[in-house]
Parts: sequence; structure tokens; C-alpha cells
Amino acid sequence: NAGVMQNPRHLVRRRGQEARLRCSPMKGHSHVYWYRQLPEEGLKFMVYLQKENIIDESGMPKERFSAEFPKEGPSILRIQQVVRGDSAAYFCASSPGRGPDTQYFGPGTRLTVL
Amino acid sequence: AQTVTQSQPEMSVQEAETVTLSCTYDTSESDYYLFWYKQPPSRQMILVIRQEAYKQQNATENRFSVNFQKAAKSFSLKISDSQLGDAAMYFCAYRSAWAGSARQLTFGSGTQLTVLP
Repeated sequence: NAGVMQNPRHLVRRRGQEARLRCSPMKGHSHVYWYRQLPEEGLKFMVYLQKENIIDESGMPKERFSAEFPKEGPSILRIQQVVRGDSAAYFCASSPGRGPDTQYFGPGTRLTVL
Repeated sequence: AQTVTQSQPEMSVQEAETVTLSCTYDTSESDYYLFWYKQPPSRQMILVIRQEAYKQQNATENRFSVNFQKAAKSFSLKISDSQLGDAAMYFCAYRSAWAGSARQLTFGSGTQLTVLP
């Protein structure tokens, strides 16, 4: 009974490199959400996707960040030209898209930018 | 925009005792969901309990229960018979129930709960 899977769990990048974070939703879930948690803070919404569609990216920084959820495969959060301020824990959540639509979270990816 | 406020950055409770964590929220909507998630040292976000705003009955999950006061926009979490494994950061979260509206969760800043042996 696999829950939401995220990989890698830890990612270290140097400034200017690219970071790719992957998320596989729970079985039967078609909605994916990405959140960012800065140190000592709560989670902040970034983007909401369904298969092949970005539904809401109002929380996504305008530059360097992008997300996709292809027809096949995991959702990807991509950060180009990382800076130290991108260091954070990035959480993916999935939901079935119906009813209370409760979101279940993955274990997160901790990104450290050197 | 909706906001969620947790006014207690830290709380502590003696093992086997009861503790209540506070949460207030601000919204102009009448239909929504409220959640409590816990984040233990592993950093995994774990759903504790969910409340539908249209339900008057307070949600209960084993030792966890809520006091939902819709008019006051208050949603507190009560943990009974506290256990060492309850030690974690607890986040209150809000989500609109309207179809087509934003589905993201809005989180409070969290309450760090320490359980004393």
C-alpha cells in the first residue's frame, strides 16, 4: 500500500545548478500539489497539477521554477540555477480529486544549496 | 484570502495528560474543510484529523478530537492521554470546499508539542 513517494530524499546542489524533484502520487490519486517549507516555518503552497495540466501555480516563483505532471510518470518540480535561498524542504501531496479530497503527503525532499 | 493562525509556538504536556492546541482562521466562505497535520522529527507530514465545516459534530479519531466553533472561526485540537510519540510540530490547515476554487491547503505557523515523561 504505497503512499506518496518522493525522491530523492536529500539533494545537494551548488549555486547555479539545476534541481529536479520527483513525486509519485498515491494509487488512484490524480491531483498533485507541491509545497515548500523554509526552516522554522509552515508549509507554503506552490503549484497544483492534474495529469498534463497545471491548474494553479499562484504560489510558484515567477522565475527558475517549473512543474509538470505528464501523462506517464511522476510529477517533477524543477528549479533552475539554484540559489542559497532555495534551500528548503519540498513536499508533494496527492489527492483523489473528489469528496473531501484530503491531501496525503510524501516524506519530502530536503534541498541544500551550497 | 484565507489565513490560519496558531498563537502557541510551543506547548508541553505531561505524559498521560490532556493538552489542547489552538487554531483560528479567517475566511468569507461558508463551506470548507479544516485539518490538523503533525510533523514529527522525521519531517513526514501526517494527517491527524479532518473536519467538514457543514458538520456540527466535532470530529474524533481515537485520542484526538477537535472543538470546532464555526461562528468564532476556531478549530482546536485536543490530545487525550498524551504519549511520547505525540511529540511533534502540529499544523492547522484550511481548504475551501467550493468546486473550481483553489484546492490548496493554507497552513498555520505550527505549534511545537513536547511530551514530558
